[in-house]
Amino acid sequence: KQEVTQIPAALSVPEGENLVLNCSFTDSAIYNLQWFRQDPGKGLTSLLLIQSSQREQTSGRLNASLDKSSGRSTLYIAASQPGDSATYLCAVRGAGNNRKLIWGLGTSLAVNP
Amino acid sequence: KAGVTQTPRYLIKTRGQQVTLSCSPISGHRSVSWYQQTPGQGLQFLFEYFSETQRNKGNFPGRFSGRQFSNSRSEMNVSTLELGDSALYLCASSLMGQENIQYFGAGTRLSVL
Repeated sequence: KQEVTQIPAALSVPEGENLVLNCSFTDSAIYNLQWFRQDPGKGLTSLLLIQSSQREQTSGRLNASLDKSSGRSTLYIAASQPGDSATYLCAVRGAGNNRKLIWGLGTSLAVNP
Repeated sequence: KAGVTQTPRYLIKTRGQQVTLSCSPISGHRSVSWYQQTPGQGLQFLFEYFSETQRNKGNFPGRFSGRQFSNSRSEMNVSTLELGDSALYLCASSLMGQENIQYFGAGTRLSVL
């Protein structure tokens, strides 16, 4: 049974810092992995999607890596800004017939001006 | 283009009652998925509908049910509410063939007293 863990659960940093959020999963037979951002009252926004055959994806100040063999993904945020404050969720989609998304509990990020 | 719309945004019910939540997908999206989000369990998949047919179902009791109408709008119903059903219920829609790319609504916050 796939389990997704995110560390740390909460993070508070000063503006301008580079930071890394971690996601680990127990079953390496995945179809893809996604990072989402959740803002209160605004639902979820997909940030990056990494297919199982890919090693990383980049979008602006965000870079996500995937190491399937070790069951790990990291989300790197460069030069953090107060507007980055949100909860970041990692979700894994299984391979084969089971394509449901399995979610981590998230990392709550606060970037302080 | 309007996003995914969920109504109502907030709901308070008492134990034993039933509730119906509504989701209007993005125009042209025929796939709708429902998720339950709680602090302890995170996001958990409830069910997915496509063209009025349930295509996938999560591990929830039969008190949780859903349906999709011919205009792709979807409803989920929870009967005999329990305190543990208090959660944020999220709906996501996607285009046929692009189920990896889901667009989420802001959710319905259900409180069961």
